[in-house]
Amino acid sequence: NAGVTQTPKFRVLKTGQSMTLLCAQDMNHEYMYWYRQDPGMGLRLIHYSVGEGTTAKGEVPDGYNVSRLKKQNFLLGLESAAPSQTSVYFCASSYAWTQDEQYFGPGTRLTVT
Amino acid sequence: AQKITQTQPGMFVQEKEAVTLDCTYDTSDQSYGLFWYKQPSSGEMIFLIYQGSYDEQNATEGRYSLNFQKARKSANLVISASQLGDSAMYFCAMRDADGGYSSASKIIFGSGTRLSIRP
Repeated sequence: NAGVTQTPKFRVLKTGQSMTLLCAQDMNHEYMYWYRQDPGMGLRLIHYSVGEGTTAKGEVPDGYNVSRLKKQNFLLGLESAAPSQTSVYFCASSYAWTQDEQYFGPGTRLTVT
Repeated sequence: AQKITQTQPGMFVQEKEAVTLDCTYDTSDQSYGLFWYKQPSSGEMIFLIYQGSYDEQNATEGRYSLNFQKARKSANLVISASQLGDSAMYFCAMRDADGGYSSASKIIFGSGTRLSIRP
């Protein structure tokens, strides 16, 4: 089992460029999440999904879109990157919503110049 | 609104001593879950321990225990016999257990405590 993988690991974008971050999990989890982590802060939930074909907004969804076309994949898109989106992005998955732990990917470090 | 507060930005502890990392939370929900995660310098998030709001006993996982005081809304992490490998950022988090697709509740993380273990 690879667990949760994220592609790419690092990326530098110019303001206004677009990109898609890919998250994949091989644990057959229903729930998947995208977080961002800024220096000195905890993780903030961007979007999440409770199953294939579903997505919902988290705490800081503005400027991001997501899609869950396949159960194992959760994509995070930035249509027009801004310097404020410079952050480390974590994907996570879990079997259920309640007490199950979330399994995190290794993170993607994104810099927008 | 839900909120997690970790008041200790950084702590230094001597190896083999026990350490308590503070976490207080605020929620109006009756059903919720509390988590602790460890983030070493390598960056990955590692799940440590979970406590449900209806659990009567404090959760324990090896050297980790969660001191859950519901009336005080605190969920402190206790690490016994600290080791050099325990040096990391530690995050407390809360999830609404009744949440789900239709819920506006969020998964909330605290700002973290950086724990440094001295040899």
